[in-house]
Amino acid sequence: DQQVKQNSPSLSVQEGRISILNCDYTNSMFDYFLWYKKYPAEGPTFLISISSIKDKNEDGRFTVFLNKSAKHLSLHIVPSQPGDSAVYFCAARGFSGTYKYIFGTGTRLKVLA
Amino acid sequence: KAGVTQTPRYLIKTRGQQVTLSCSPISGHRSVSWYQQTPGQGLQFLFEYFSETQRNKGNFPGRFSGRQFSNSRSEMNVSTLELGDSALYLCASSYGTGDMNTEAFFGQGTRLTVV
Repeated sequence: DQQVKQNSPSLSVQEGRISILNCDYTNSMFDYFLWYKKYPAEGPTFLISISSIKDKNEDGRFTVFLNKSAKHLSLHIVPSQPGDSAVYFCAARGFSGTYKYIFGTGTRLKVLA
Repeated sequence: KAGVTQTPRYLIKTRGQQVTLSCSPISGHRSVSWYQQTPGQGLQFLFEYFSETQRNKGNFPGRFSGRQFSNSRSEMNVSTLELGDSALYLCASSYGTGDMNTEAFFGQGTRLTVV
């Protein structure tokens, strides 16, 4: 069963506008969340993270929001640029004896010039 | 500082064969995790090694195995390959294990095609 879900497989946004990528999780014990960006033929690269004790973390154009009661996190990119076009994965850290990261299925973002 | 290096980048194998993939983590990183990426399935966790010990394992059959050497380099082996094993295999290294709030750095992956 998919504990981390990205229900939108793709998203298209106009350059300069806001991109909002969503991620839902089912395990309330997840305590740390990350976003990765992946270009074709490359491995995922770390983008931004947030601890479960916070509800917002900002880094330049990227902001991650965490809503623990809704078990939902989102990544906002403002303003969106064509170079942001990539697949975005959210990941959550859970503990079952040891810590493990569980990834979502990814959302392909296309920023239109 | 060199990144995570995975070899080979591309591989074509026949059903029933076995394959070994290699991963060299970032210098100083002791944790290596392996993931399988297939379309629509995201990154599925295979296993994690830390200081030559397997610390965690995902829900994959026993045909998938791995090991880590004293220099933190890791290998992943898949025996009796099936068509469904065709995927991008990604290796990620981090300084500590998942209980430290450090992100993992991924290699470029090995694209395995089973025919």
